[in-house]
Amino acid sequence: GENVEQHPSTLSVQEGDSAVIKCTYSDSASNYFPWYKQELGKRPQLIIDIRSNVGEKKDQRIAVTLNKTAKHFSLHITETQPEDSAVYFCAARGDTGRRALTFGSGTRLQVQP
Amino acid sequence: DARVTQTPRHKVTEMGQEVTMRCQPILGHNTVFWYRQTMMQGLELLAYFRNRAPLDDSGMPKDRFSAEMPDATLATLKIQPSEPRDSAVYFCASGLVLGRDSYEQYFGPGTRLTVT
Repeated sequence: GENVEQHPSTLSVQEGDSAVIKCTYSDSASNYFPWYKQELGKRPQLIIDIRSNVGEKKDQRIAVTLNKTAKHFSLHITETQPEDSAVYFCAARGDTGRRALTFGSGTRLQVQP
Repeated sequence: DARVTQTPRHKVTEMGQEVTMRCQPILGHNTVFWYRQTMMQGLELLAYFRNRAPLDDSGMPKDRFSAEMPDATLATLKIQPSEPRDSAVYFCASGLVLGRDSYEQYFGPGTRLTVT
């Protein structure tokens, strides 16, 4: 089955700096890659996603890049703000058969004011 | 703003008791997932349903856990008997799958279960 690895497990940046979180996946058939943000005590919320026919996608200060050949994808947050502090999860899903997401282990991002 | 709902939000129970968690998926979504979240294991998939039929429950301890969808607006996850190691946050999520197209998956607020 699919295996998703996520790095780093914790990340601390200064407000205004950029943050990058990286994930690798094992199943070359996976073609949907969402990112979720989870604040303390809250539900995971979808913040951005990318499909395999796209190499990069941006939404304001966040962007996701996908390298299908290397089987890795990354989340980029620019101009970080204290409210970006949360746990971020990457995930991968195939297009046939098992359509459930396989999640990475999460990255705890702390933005220092 | 349609959302997945879950009840109860918090549950404290004694070991050996039965626990039932409920989920109402977003109207129109045909796929429902149950996840368990702990500090040690992260987000684990327990089971999922499409069009109310169970597709995969391989992540679920079969001897004590059961999941059902009695109708399109209700999914249930039951633990009987509960054990302290079941203490976790249980999330329900729903999404839409049409043919080969899969769409976004949205999470409910979770049920925080504590078994003493």
